[in-house]
Amino acid sequence: GDSVTQMEGPVTLSEEAFLTINCTYTATGYPSLFWYVQYPGEGLQLLLKATKADDKGSNKGFEATYRKETTSFHLEKGSVQVSDSAVYFCALSDQPGGGYQKVTFGIGTKLQVIP
Amino acid sequence: NAGVTQTPKFRVLKTGQSMTLLCAQDMNHEYMYWYRQDPGMGLRLIHYSVGEGTTAKGEVPDGYNVSRLKKQNFLLGLESAAPSQTSVYFCASSRLAGELFFGEGSRLTVL
Repeated sequence: GDSVTQMEGPVTLSEEAFLTINCTYTATGYPSLFWYVQYPGEGLQLLLKATKADDKGSNKGFEATYRKETTSFHLEKGSVQVSDSAVYFCALSDQPGGGYQKVTFGIGTKLQVIP
Repeated sequence: NAGVTQTPKFRVLKTGQSMTLLCAQDMNHEYMYWYRQDPGMGLRLIHYSVGEGTTAKGEVPDGYNVSRLKKQNFLLGLESAAPSQTSVYFCASSRLAGELFFGEGSRLTVL
């Protein structure tokens, strides 16, 4: 079945450091890939997405490229801020039939940015 | 625009008690989902619905029931709560193949 692998963390960085959170996946077919972010005490919200191979999703300075050859969707940001402290979830979406969108989430990576 | 609203946000139950979590969305989405979030396990799908009057089981449906009598509402019920159901529950809605919109979560503790 589908699966998403990411490190749990926490990842601790100083402000303005470079961020990479690795995400690899296993899926049949051609899934869409997502990064969701969860700020403390809130629900998840979409950060960025890519729907086909070689697509790059970007938002709020974050980027991720859909790499089919390495089955990866790593999240990057050039300069993190304290306000980026959150839990980041990699996810894939597939449609196995029956009008149902199956979304598989990774375990989430907690990011802590210190001033 | 409220988006997805969950009630209650917090609840403490004793083993064996029952309760219902309510999810309401105002985006006219066809699809609705209930997830539970546990440390080290990410989000796991409990039940989902592809339209009014229809529901289906997800990954971890045991001990839960759901109903979707109105398109905008998706109810999650626990008939006899167990400590293993202590978790944070999230409702989400979407269009087919679209992003998920989440509520703020409902934290349930079963003693």
